[in-house]
Amino acid sequence: DTEVTQTPKHLVMGMTNKKSLKCEQHMGHRAMYWYKQKAKKPPELMFVYSYEKLSINESVPSRFSPECPNSSLLNLHLHALQPEDSALYLCASSPRGRQPFQETQYFGPGTRLLVL
Amino acid sequence: LAKTTQPISMDSYEGQEVNITCSHNNIATNDYITWYQQFPSQGPRFIIQGYKTKVTNEVASLFIPADRKSSTLSLPRVSLSDTAVYYCLVGPRNAGNNRKLIWGLGTSLAVNP
Repeated sequence: DTEVTQTPKHLVMGMTNKKSLKCEQHMGHRAMYWYKQKAKKPPELMFVYSYEKLSINESVPSRFSPECPNSSLLNLHLHALQPEDSALYLCASSPRGRQPFQETQYFGPGTRLLVL
Repeated sequence: LAKTTQPISMDSYEGQEVNITCSHNNIATNDYITWYQQFPSQGPRFIIQGYKTKVTNEVASLFIPADRKSSTLSLPRVSLSDTAVYYCLVGPRNAGNNRKLIWGLGTSLAVNP
């Protein structure tokens, strides 16, 4: 299995809702990432987990809360989001984890989020 | 931080070779250059990575001059399915020293019949 899967594909939520995005990989990768991508812009790194520990938080607002229950799963919990948080949320993984930046990253298809 | 600059868009025709250049004047000694491809509503896909000179794989070639201040992604004989956004990334091997992986703004390549 050489895929990163993400659910749901689309999500519409109100500003008072709580929702979660899910990401899964079964490639044995030890680093997992969350990115946010706005239209016609490059992906922006949000979080990096290395060996199931949060290693990088790119000053992301606390209304985004990541969780890595095990080496195959990555969640992003969403609470009290703003309309400007509407974007494509991408999950990625890479093999070794200790030096994640220049490893090949394998991306999922993303979750398209709309906040009303 | 090593900022990258690449053309916003390019047009080509099927069967032609396409060269996309990325400028990274402030590239650091430890930085590598990586290119990703992204189709609409999909996540980016790794194409190629290099440090210096030339790297070739089954999909593309990457040319990096001696001063490493730029790099050129070369796609041989493009087809309609190569229509996508191509991102140039520059960043360190290690995650230390507060150095980050920098994504370019992307080049939107349109391949015409």
